[in-house]
Amino acid sequence: EIVMTQSPATLSVSPGERATLSCRASQSVSSNLAWYQQKPGQAPRLLIYGASTRATGIPARFSGSGSGTEFTLTISSLQSEDFAVYYCQQYNNWPPTWTFGQGTKVEIK
Amino acid sequence: EVQLVQSGAEVKKPGESLKISCKGSGYSFTSYWIGWVRQMPGKGLEWMGIIYPGDSDTRYSPSFQGQVTISADKSISTAYLQWSSLKASDTAMYYCARLIGGATNAFDYWGQGTLVTVSS
Repeated sequence: EIVMTQSPATLSVSPGERATLSCRASQSVSSNLAWYQQKPGQAPRLLIYGASTRATGIPARFSGSGSGTEFTLTISSLQSEDFAVYYCQQYNNWPPTWTFGQGTKVEIK
Repeated sequence: EVQLVQSGAEVKKPGESLKISCKGSGYSFTSYWIGWVRQMPGKGLEWMGIIYPGDSDTRYSPSFQGQVTISADKSISTAYLQWSSLKASDTAMYYCARLIGGATNAFDYWGQGTLVTVSS
């Protein structure tokens, strides 16, 4: 079973600053990595898939990078609406499984 | 517009059965996998299983195999998640989500969630 580990658990950032979130897989997942944003009381929202492709309508300040076991989500200049919990998610070919990380909460500093 | 609309909140007693639904619209329902994701109170996201409504091919997470049943009725563009005997530990928010597909294995559209509360 592939385990996804996100760090840090909580990230305190001031509006306008850059936020860098990390996600590590226990074994290679190639580029089968997605990032989601979840705000309180809302369903998750897809931000990035294929490790680095922004989903439809996602602002350019969100970017993803990495492959294999190490991945990063960068928010270049945090806006007030970006304070939320972020999850990474991997897909494994066989057996087909989808695994989420435990989440990183981005809070206002 | 792609939409996944889930059934409403449920309050059940331990041992009762339950079936919740997820109705897709705005796209070809039979051409995309639908997954189910659990979120326990204050916790993270857990993938439970996935179904292809076109032929009802279903895969389960090992953690949920035997605990729930996923099904779909393509005639009414609806996927289901059901329990035969609920436990208090099944209390959670449950989301359905559409898988983009092809070489892209991410969930692009999500339902609004169904809150299931199991309490005696």
